[in-house]
Amino acid sequence: DTEVTQTPKHLVMGMTNKKSLKCEQHMGHRAMYWYKQKAKKPPELMFVYSYEKLSINESVPSRFSPECPNSSLLNLHLHALQPEDSALYLCASSQEIHSYEQYFGPGTRLTVT
Amino acid sequence: GQSLEQPSEVTAVEGAIVQINCTYQTSGFYGLSWYQQHDGGAPTFLSYNALDGLEETGRFSSFLSRSDSYGYLLLQELQMKDSASYFCAGIAYSGAGSYQLTFGKGTKLSVIP
Repeated sequence: DTEVTQTPKHLVMGMTNKKSLKCEQHMGHRAMYWYKQKAKKPPELMFVYSYEKLSINESVPSRFSPECPNSSLLNLHLHALQPEDSALYLCASSQEIHSYEQYFGPGTRLTVT
Repeated sequence: GQSLEQPSEVTAVEGAIVQINCTYQTSGFYGLSWYQQHDGGAPTFLSYNALDGLEETGRFSSFLSRSDSYGYLLLQELQMKDSASYFCAGIAYSGAGSYQLTFGKGTKLSVIP
């Protein structure tokens, strides 16, 4: 199984809502990532987890809260988002934090109204 | 931090060869990866160079010159399905045992008949 799955595929939420994005992989990878990608732009790293511990937090606003319940799961909790947060949110995993090959999920297309 | 530069757009004819260049400025440089992303899709890993020289994977090859801080992706026997965005991504050591993948802005390749 070389797949990273993400749910939901699409999400529309108001600025006062609380929602969560979910990511799962069963490749035994020990590093997992959240990226944000705006249209026609490259993915921007948000968070990195290594062995279920937060390794990198790229100065992301606190309205985004990551969680790694176990080595296969990664969540991104969303609260009080702004319209400019609308983007494609990509989850990825790799064997280790220094691995050059990351496997990306299909992403969640988020629209904040 | 990392900075990677690549052309924004390239157009090539089906069956031809195209080269996408990437120059980088990175402290703690570890290696250079290449990813392909079709519109609406997730990035997929293509190739990686940690050492100088050419890496070949089927129709795709990637080259790195660490002394020149330069790499390229070579696509041969272009097919229409190769129309996509191509990102070079640098891996750099970011301290405290952490590594970070930073994407270039991407090159949109259009393959024409």
